[in-house]
Amino acid sequence: AQTVTQSQPEMSVQEAETVTLSCTYDTSESDYYLFWYKQPPSRQMILVIRQEAYKQQNATENRFSVNFQKAAKSFSLKISDSQLGDAAMYFCAYAGGGADGLTFGKGTHLIIQP
Amino acid sequence: KAGVTQTPRYLIKTRGQQVTLSCSPISGHRSVSWYQQTPGQGLQFLFEYFSETQRNKGNFPGRFSGRQFSNSRSEMNVSTLELGDSALYLCASSLTGPNEKLFFGSGTQLSVL
Repeated sequence: AQTVTQSQPEMSVQEAETVTLSCTYDTSESDYYLFWYKQPPSRQMILVIRQEAYKQQNATENRFSVNFQKAAKSFSLKISDSQLGDAAMYFCAYAGGGADGLTFGKGTHLIIQP
Repeated sequence: KAGVTQTPRYLIKTRGQQVTLSCSPISGHRSVSWYQQTPGQGLQFLFEYFSETQRNKGNFPGRFSGRQFSNSRSEMNVSTLELGDSALYLCASSLTGPNEKLFFGSGTQLSVL
C-alpha cells in the first residue's frame, strides 16, 4: 500500500518570506501523480499543484513550486512571497495510475506571521 | 459554473441510526469520490464512482455504501452509526478520475451521539 508522510505538523513563516513544506511517499508503482491540496478554515480543499511522475520537470503555479525527487520519493512544496491568505492546512497526496482514490498525508498547518 | 455541492452541511444522529449524504458534482464531471476526515485518522478514501459504477473502494466496513445516479449526483449511506463515524465527509468531482484535479465540496459534518 502507498503511504504519504508529512513530517512537519506545523510551520510558521513571516509574510513575504519563503517556506518549504516536506513530503515523502512510498510506492512500488511507476505511474503515479502527486498533489498538494490546501484546506483553509472553510474546509473546502483546493488544489495547489499537481505533478505527473513521468515528467522530470518540476511543476510550478505562480508562487507555488515543487521539488520532485523521484528516486528519493520526495515531493516538497515551496511557497514564495508568503501571503496571509496562504494560511491553511496543506496536504500532500498520492494517486496511482488507475482509479484508486487519493492517499493523503497527515497535513502541515501553515501559519503566516504578519 | 456551480461548484460541488454537498448537503446537508451539518448533521446530528444517534448511534444505531442510518444517514444519507448527498453530493452534486460540477456539471460535466462523471467521477465522484468520497473521503472521510477525522482528527485521528486524517483523510481516508471511501469510494469512487464513474458513470454510475463503483470503480474502487477504500478500507471501510460494509456499513458504508454509495451510489451514483445517471446525472452524476452521488449519495453515500452509513447504516448502524457508531460514535467513531463522527467526521467530516468530503465529496470531490472530476472529469475522469482521482489522478486529475479534484474539485471538493465544503463537506458534511456528521456528529454521532
